[in-house]
Amino acid sequence: GAVVSQHPSWVICKSGTSVKIECRSLDFQATTMFWYRQFPKQSLMLMATSNEGSKATYEQGVEKDKFLINHASLTLSTLTVTSAHPEDSSFYICSASRSGRTYNEQFFGPGTRLTVL
Amino acid sequence: KNQVEQSPQSLIILEGKNCTLQCNYTVSPFSNLRWYKQDTGRGPVSLTIMTFSENTKSNGRYTATLDADTKQSSLHITASQLSDSASYICVVSGRDNTGGFKTIFGAGTRLFVKA
Repeated sequence: GAVVSQHPSWVICKSGTSVKIECRSLDFQATTMFWYRQFPKQSLMLMATSNEGSKATYEQGVEKDKFLINHASLTLSTLTVTSAHPEDSSFYICSASRSGRTYNEQFFGPGTRLTVL
Repeated sequence: KNQVEQSPQSLIILEGKNCTLQCNYTVSPFSNLRWYKQDTGRGPVSLTIMTFSENTKSNGRYTATLDADTKQSSLHITASQLSDSASYICVVSGRDNTGGFKTIFGAGTRLFVKA
């Protein structure tokens, strides 16, 4: 159990376009989902925390108008990179936390490689 | 200074050998500590989770230890295999001053296992 999927696994887009990444918890309900980005040879950097039915909480320095997060159901959160630029090229990883856990055990998705030309 | 420090940054070992990775943290109060394995281009996969009262946890050839007094953890890999080549990330969670949780990621140790 506790499987998290992401779609797409990789995407290449032109500068100025918007890209949507989906994160799904396949076999459990996730009240909280987290979005990370990871640059080569660096650790994960938390971008935002998304709770089902409410607005996402963004980390300092992350533009909420650039990285739109929607968590409309207990099994799906989406991250939209708006007007993407080459510096947005990165590895985006989501994780999901089960409902009702007293500590935030996170299950990670396989990641989405975004390349902006 | 990161509240979770991992060492070494990278490590090269021969297949079949053992190795130990270190994680020192200052996160307080402490809730749990997790070790993840991340293959290149993939999401992290959980290896072990330990709470304050646990000193050791094993998962196959992986054994994690925790000393909550000295705020140190180690991940020991026995009889390494080529497939163990990956980044190993230490993640520490604790309560912040609002009563919520904060989770701090270490920078990871990159392990290379050579034949």
